[in-house]
Amino acid sequence: GQNIDQPTEMTATEGAIVQINCTYQTSGFNGLFWYQQHAGEAPTFLSYNVLDGLEEKGRFSSFLSRSKGYSYLLLKELQMKDSASYLCAVPDSNYQLIWGAGTKLIIKP
Amino acid sequence: IAGITQAPTSQILAAGRRMTLRCTQDMRHNAMYWYRQDLGLGLRLIHYSNTAGTTGKGEVPDGYSVSRANTDDFPLTLASAVPSQTSVYFCASSDGGGGADTQYFGPGTRLTVL
Repeated sequence: GQNIDQPTEMTATEGAIVQINCTYQTSGFNGLFWYQQHAGEAPTFLSYNVLDGLEEKGRFSSFLSRSKGYSYLLLKELQMKDSASYLCAVPDSNYQLIWGAGTKLIIKP
Repeated sequence: IAGITQAPTSQILAAGRRMTLRCTQDMRHNAMYWYRQDLGLGLRLIHYSNTAGTTGKGEVPDGYSVSRANTDDFPLTLASAVPSQTSVYFCASSDGGGGADTQYFGPGTRLTVL
């Protein structure tokens, strides 16, 4: 079956770097998504990885290792507005997304 | 309008009542989705539609029905609401339905069933 694991909550300091991990098990692999969700708001797209390696987009980078079933989201130069939940998702065998429960990131001054 | 809209924003509903949550997108996306989000459980797919005229069941379809009469609208109906359907409901859309397309979400409907 499919399964996605993420830490429930993380705390980091403004200006620092934080890495949010995601491990997954799927019967096939068709890419991995990261979304950001601020409290009380809708999820918004951050990144999509289908090949191994690191993809960088400004302060945010996403890494994928297909052989290990592992991804991480790296956030640099943390800002207070980065306080949010970060959701990891992979398509299942019907090409519908299976979502992790999300990692709540708390940024402290 | 731009993007994807949902109505109502929030609703308190008596158990046993029928309720339709509305979702409209203006991006001409082929695929649309309904999720529920509960604390600690993440997003769970209720129903989806890969193109107008077709629908499919997601992970948690029981107690819900959908229709896709045209490209823009994808209403979700609770035929007889129960307290376990208290949740935040998100509608989303994507250009394709192949799992590799970015999904765009509406603002959500917060539903409380008493």
